[in-house]
Amino acid sequence: GQQVMQIPQYQHVQEGEDFTTYCNSSTTLSNIQWYKQRPGGHPVFLIQLVKSGEVKKQKRLTFQFGEAKKNSSLHITATQTTDVGTYFCAGLMNTGFQKLVFGTGTRLLVSP
Amino acid sequence: EAGVAQSPRYKIIEKRQSVAFWCNPISGHATLYWYQQILGQGPKLLIQFQNNGVVDDSQLPKDRFSAERLKGVDSTLKIQPAKLEDSAVYLCASSSSFRGSGNTIYFGEGSWLTVV
Repeated sequence: GQQVMQIPQYQHVQEGEDFTTYCNSSTTLSNIQWYKQRPGGHPVFLIQLVKSGEVKKQKRLTFQFGEAKKNSSLHITATQTTDVGTYFCAGLMNTGFQKLVFGTGTRLLVSP
Repeated sequence: EAGVAQSPRYKIIEKRQSVAFWCNPISGHATLYWYQQILGQGPKLLIQFQNNGVVDDSQLPKDRFSAERLKGVDSTLKIQPAKLEDSAVYLCASSSSFRGSGNTIYFGEGSWLTVV
């Protein structure tokens, strides 16, 4: 079936260090979306990438969509304790209708 | 703009009992989704509606789960009878359309179910 995997599953960094999570899909995606979920919260939409090779930045966050539209990455520069949470990528698969398949998530812990 | 509303926020039931969750999507959003999120995992799509029609229910355990969106607005997800493995957060989400790209999906705060 359609799968979206993320690595690593978990990362613990010191505040100020960088962090990257990688997302890989078994099928080509129409777009890739990224969500952040705080402990006890619900997924909150961060950004959407549509074009092959697209790169977008939000302050310290850099998002990239692969050339083949099957992988993506999220990089956080100089992490802060407010970055704590689980980051999910979600691939939009065109199966005749829009189907959003979530990745397995990367849990980020930031120590002060 | 009001977000996606869900109730109840928390529910504890015994196995073999039934439970129902309610969702009111963002006004004007034709597409409504129910996701199941088990602790430590990503959300898994259970069912997707376009207005009051089902677009995808391929991962819905139909022997015990049912969902409806009779008037194309609110939706109810029911579990009967519940099993221990149904303990999860049930997330409702909505978007303005399900065709094409560029349609952001907005999530409600979720209904947390514990089956004991």
